[in-house]
Amino acid sequence: DTEVTQTPKHLVMGMTNKKSLKCEQHMGHRAMYWYKQKAKKPPELMFVYSYEKLSINESVPSRFSPECPNSSLLNLHLHALQPEDSALYLCASSRNSGQGAEKLFFGSGTQLSVL
Amino acid sequence: QQQVKQSPQSLIVQKGGISIINCAYENTAFDYFPWYQQFPGKGPALLIAIRPDVSEKKEGRFTISFNKSAKQFSLHIMDSQPGDSATYFCAVSLWSATNKLIFGTGTLLAVQP
Repeated sequence: DTEVTQTPKHLVMGMTNKKSLKCEQHMGHRAMYWYKQKAKKPPELMFVYSYEKLSINESVPSRFSPECPNSSLLNLHLHALQPEDSALYLCASSRNSGQGAEKLFFGSGTQLSVL
Repeated sequence: QQQVKQSPQSLIVQKGGISIINCAYENTAFDYFPWYQQFPGKGPALLIAIRPDVSEKKEGRFTISFNKSAKQFSLHIMDSQPGDSATYFCAVSLWSATNKLIFGTGTLLAVQP
């Protein structure tokens, strides 16, 4: 199984809502990532978890809150988002983190629209 | 400051032709250069990668050419097929921190039958 599964595929939320994005992998990877991708733009790194601990936070606003309950699961909790946060949110995983040609396996993403 | 510049923004190639996408970077410390392919509605997928100790790497129809002195690298797709139509992103990172990829701006490739 070389898949990273993300749910939901699409999400529409209001600025006062609280929602969560979910990501799952069963490849035994110990690093998991959240990326944000605006239309026709490259992915931008948000967070990296290594061995279930947050290792990189790219100065992401606190309305985005990541959580790694175990080595297979990654969540992104959303609260009080702004319309400019509308984007494709991509989850990725790699065997390890930080050193040496770690191939990223991306999920298909959650397309988020904030109204 | 844009750390990696990618060109062209879009590219149209006839089936069987050669597609060439270029990237230039600023920081000479970067020493890992992957290319990712992204189809509509999907996440990016690693296509091929190179390190500065070689000037060229080939995998099937895909070749990376690397010019360390010019701080440039390029992707060549030989015998381009309609199924290659996708967005291609170059990326750079430190070998010691490949978890912090910096992506180029992307090239939308359309291969016409």
